[in-house]
Amino acid sequence: DAMVIQNPRYQVTQFGKPVTLSCSQTLNHNVMYWYQQKSSQAPKLLFHYYDKDFNNEADTPDNFQSRRPNTSFCFLDIRSPGLGDAAMYLCATSDTDRGYEKLFFGSGTQLSVL
Amino acid sequence: ILNVEQSPQSLHVQEGDSTNFTCSFPSSNFYALHWYRWETAKSPEALFVMTLNGDEKKKGRISATLNTKEGYSYLYIKGSQPEDSATYLCALYSNYQLIWGAGTKLIIKP
Repeated sequence: DAMVIQNPRYQVTQFGKPVTLSCSQTLNHNVMYWYQQKSSQAPKLLFHYYDKDFNNEADTPDNFQSRRPNTSFCFLDIRSPGLGDAAMYLCATSDTDRGYEKLFFGSGTQLSVL
Repeated sequence: ILNVEQSPQSLHVQEGDSTNFTCSFPSSNFYALHWYRWETAKSPEALFVMTLNGDEKKKGRISATLNTKEGYSYLYIKGSQPEDSATYLCALYSNYQLIWGAGTKLIIKP
């Protein structure tokens, strides 16, 4: 039973065409994270929500936005995708943002930009 | 800038053999060390979260050790099986942030 669900599994978009990736969770966790992972690199945190509080990483481009309309759902909006934005996007949750709590991940969305 | 290093980057192991790989991190301001297994087309799954120096954790054939003073953690797999093929990621929690390594890709040869 998937607890963190990401849709779609694969997403193809055109250069400059806005795209939205979605994540939902059934764990009722307070914290939701969006990570970007490029091949053979460490996952890079883009932003996270603690409940409704939005926390943006300093080096996350303005091209990336996020929405969390309720506890269960979180969206990643890429306003004008560039070729460099092609990557795996992972959503994760945890009950708190304390470092001793494990994260629960979705299976990711692989984004291609043509 | 804190850096987490994993070695080797990839590893081919014969089925039935045991193996281990390393996660290295700065020892200052240590709070916790995470290990995750990421199988292809699946979700990364937490294996262990370790907080105490000298801690050892075990889950089936997989175990991990932690040395916070020298800044490393080892992950051991005993008697590798094809289902162990995955990327193993470690992450350090320090200064209120989770810093990830790039992973070790393990391939088990039948």
